[in-house]
This record gives sequence, structure tokens and C-alpha cells, in this order.
Amino acid sequence: EVVLTQSPATLSASPGEKATLSCRASQNVHYNLAWYQQKPGQPPRVLISSASAGATGSPARFSGSGSETEFTLTIDGLQSEDSAIYYCQQYNNWPLTFGPGTRVEIK
Amino acid sequence: QVLLVQSGAEMKKPGAAVRVSCKTSGYDFNNYPIHWVRQAPGQRLEWMGWINVGNADTKFSEKFQARVSITRDTSATIVYMDLTSLTSEDTAVYFCARAPYVGAFSSWFDPWGQGTLVTVSS
Repeated sequence: EVVLTQSPATLSASPGEKATLSCRASQNVHYNLAWYQQKPGQPPRVLISSASAGATGSPARFSGSGSETEFTLTIDGLQSEDSAIYYCQQYNNWPLTFGPGTRVEIK
Repeated sequence: QVLLVQSGAEMKKPGAAVRVSCKTSGYDFNNYPIHWVRQAPGQRLEWMGWINVGNADTKFSEKFQARVSITRDTSATIVYMDLTSLTSEDTAVYFCARAPYVGAFSSWFDPWGQGTLVTVSS
């Protein structure tokens, strides 16, 4: 099973700042990685697929990069509504797996 | 508009089984796989399994293989997830989620149902 680890566990930043979230895979997943945003009481919403492709409706301030085992989600210009937990998910290997999440707090 | 609407919250005793339904609309039901993912309190999201709605083929995580089944009613465009032999560790929010495009069996998920809380307690 591919184990995903995310860092940091919690990120606190001010509006307008840039946030960089990391996801590391225990095996090569090529570009088969997605990022989700989840707010309390809601299902996850996909932001990025195929490591760097923005999902329909995903704001342009969200961007993804990386390949193989190292991936990054960047939020360029944090807004108050970005307060949420962000998960990565790999779909290169069965079972499909998720990271533990990074909580983003807006100061 | 693609919609996945799940059944309501369930309270079950240990050892019981639960069925969660996922009513779909707004797209060609037969062409998109449906996955089930759960989220226990304070835990990461956990993929449980998947159904190829067109031919009813299924694939499950080894963790749930012995206890889970996923079926579909094509006339009603509903997918069901049954989980048996419940324990307190099965207390979680269960989500159905659609593959993002036709023929995407191993993929990300978009969109998701709203989630169904299943509580297992004596």
C-alpha cells in the first residue's frame, strides 16, 4: 500500500500570504495524485488532479506541482475562505490512499 | 447538474449490518464508476471499494473485503454499500463519490455525496 505523508500538520498564515503544503508518497505514483479541500461538515472537493491540473471551479490561486514521490500544493494569496483541511490522494496503486491532511488556519 | 444524494444517518449496535444508499442524477449512470470512502473521527479518508456500474464488477480494499458489498439498481440509478459485522471502529462518515470521467477506474473523485454518519454503539 502506498503511504502518503503530509506536512506540516497545521499551517497558520495571514490573508494574502503564500502557503506551501507538501505530500510525500512511499512509492513512485508518477503524476497520479490529487489534492482536495475539506471544510467542516462537507465532503472533500477536488482542487488539483494529475499532480498539477486545476479542477473545474478551482480558484486560480491553487496550484500543484511535483511527480513520483514529492508533491506540493501552493495557495498563492490566502483568503479567509481557504481555512480548511487539505488532503492528497494517490490513484496510481490499489488500494487508493489518502494523506493525513494539513489543516490551514487563517490568522 | 451531477448530484449524489445519500441516505440519512444510521445508529447500529455492534454485530449488526448497515446499508447506505447513494442516489445519483444528472449524468449517464452506466458509464461512471462509483467509489465508497469513509472518514472516522480524527482519521484520514479511507477508500473502501468501487463498483463498475455498467457491469456490476467490484473491487475492494483488503481491509474491508470480507465485510463489504457494493451493488447498484440501474433503473433507480442508486448505488448501495453494505457493511456487516459492525464494531465501534466502523463509526464514521461514509461517502459515495463518482469517478471524474467515463472509464476512470483508478482515479480521483468528483463529485462526492454529502456523507452519511454511521454510529455503532451498544
